[in-house]
Amino acid sequence: EAGVAQSPRYKIIEKRQSVAFWCNPISGHATLYWYQQILGQGPKLLIQFQNNGVVDDSQLPKDRFSAERLKGVDSTLKIQPAKLEDSAVYLCASSLAGQDTGELFFGEGSRLTVL
Amino acid sequence: GNSVTQMEGPVTLSEEAFLTINCTYTATGYPSLFWYVQYPGEGLQLLLKATKADDKGSNKGFEATYRKETTSFHLEKGSVQVSDSAVYFCALNQAGTALIFGKGTTLSVSS
Repeated sequence: EAGVAQSPRYKIIEKRQSVAFWCNPISGHATLYWYQQILGQGPKLLIQFQNNGVVDDSQLPKDRFSAERLKGVDSTLKIQPAKLEDSAVYLCASSLAGQDTGELFFGEGSRLTVL
Repeated sequence: GNSVTQMEGPVTLSEEAFLTINCTYTATGYPSLFWYVQYPGEGLQLLLKATKADDKGSNKGFEATYRKETTSFHLEKGSVQVSDSAVYFCALNQAGTALIFGKGTTLSVSS
């Protein structure tokens, strides 16, 4: 079974530029998550989708971050404009049925460096 | 709000040593508790979990017991191997809420 795929693995941009990350979850997983992991900290949820609807985006900085999951499968996370403090690893995860079981399947992450 | 506190790393051990990584939590009600592991170059993966007080989660020789009285979920392994070198994250959730992770503890095991 293929795992969660993310791209690009690494991205370096200057502040105020934009960037987009892509995620393809495990086939059949209805729930998709984007987490932000800043160096030395644990992952923090940015947004959770159930199929193509948003379940939780309470911690998403909506003035600069946006995410979509148009057909209930792939998802894109965009940052525009980027700030220095956005330097982090962006993790995509998927699960069969929400977070109640706690079993999320993570991709390898996309590491963003903002200069 | 809910939170998870893990012992600071890195933890450096020799092969076959005993491992303990401490984790305590703050939560209202009765959360479920988890340990996730991230091996070098790989994504986070669930190691073990416990969903109610006194439950013991176990996997790959690792164990953790849900202690409500001390609000703890310490990870233990009796004899670590070089292949256990990784970053370990303690996490919790409650029904309908996001997983909350600790900061992670890096384990390095040498032969």
